[in-house]
Amino acid sequence: DQQVKQNSPSLSVQEGRISILNCDYTNSMFDYFLWYKKYPAEGPTFLISISSIKDKNEDGRFTVFLNKSAKHLSLHIVPSQPGDSAVYFCAAHPWGGGGYQKVTFGIGTKLQVIP
Amino acid sequence: DTAVSQTPKYLVTQMGNDKSIKCEQNLGHDTMYWYKQDSKKFLKIMFSYNNKELIINETVPNRFSPKSPDKAHLNLHINSLELGDSAVYFCASSQGTRTDYGYTFGSGTRLTVV
Repeated sequence: DQQVKQNSPSLSVQEGRISILNCDYTNSMFDYFLWYKKYPAEGPTFLISISSIKDKNEDGRFTVFLNKSAKHLSLHIVPSQPGDSAVYFCAAHPWGGGGYQKVTFGIGTKLQVIP
Repeated sequence: DTAVSQTPKYLVTQMGNDKSIKCEQNLGHDTMYWYKQDSKKFLKIMFSYNNKELIINETVPNRFSPKSPDKAHLNLHINSLELGDSAVYFCASSQGTRTDYGYTFGSGTRLTVV
């Protein structure tokens, strides 16, 4: 049962344009949402997060939008750069810290930014 | 200076063998995790430790036994390896109560059981 779904396995975008990566979730208990970026042969790197009390969080070129009623979140990258080419994982977990949060990951979307 | 380091990076072994993967973090975090990325690319949590105490123990065969000798180390020992254990195993760490900084992952250990 996939509780976090990334339905687009891949995405190609021209350099300088906007990249939009989408993620849907089914578990109403999810309280915190995160995006990770992963290069080949490396571990995932934390990118940006958003809690359920917000609908938008911005960090430089990266913005995450959360639509709780639709159980949908998206990551916007503006402007896209070739170095952004990577696999992007959406992740979510219920409230809880100290190791208690069971983070559920999506399967990832491979982004290719074309120079 | 690597924040979360795993060894070995690659591990090829025969069915039935016992193997260990080591993980160390130098971030001062108090929580560490083991994740498994299977052939379908899903990242799934296996274990989490907080201050050397086992917190999460997902539905993982008993052949997998984590050991945390101190807050900076979390090792994974696997007994009687099976073909289905082939995967990439990621160690990660976090500062326990902080969920907004995410995890810091190691670069992974690719285990191949033949």
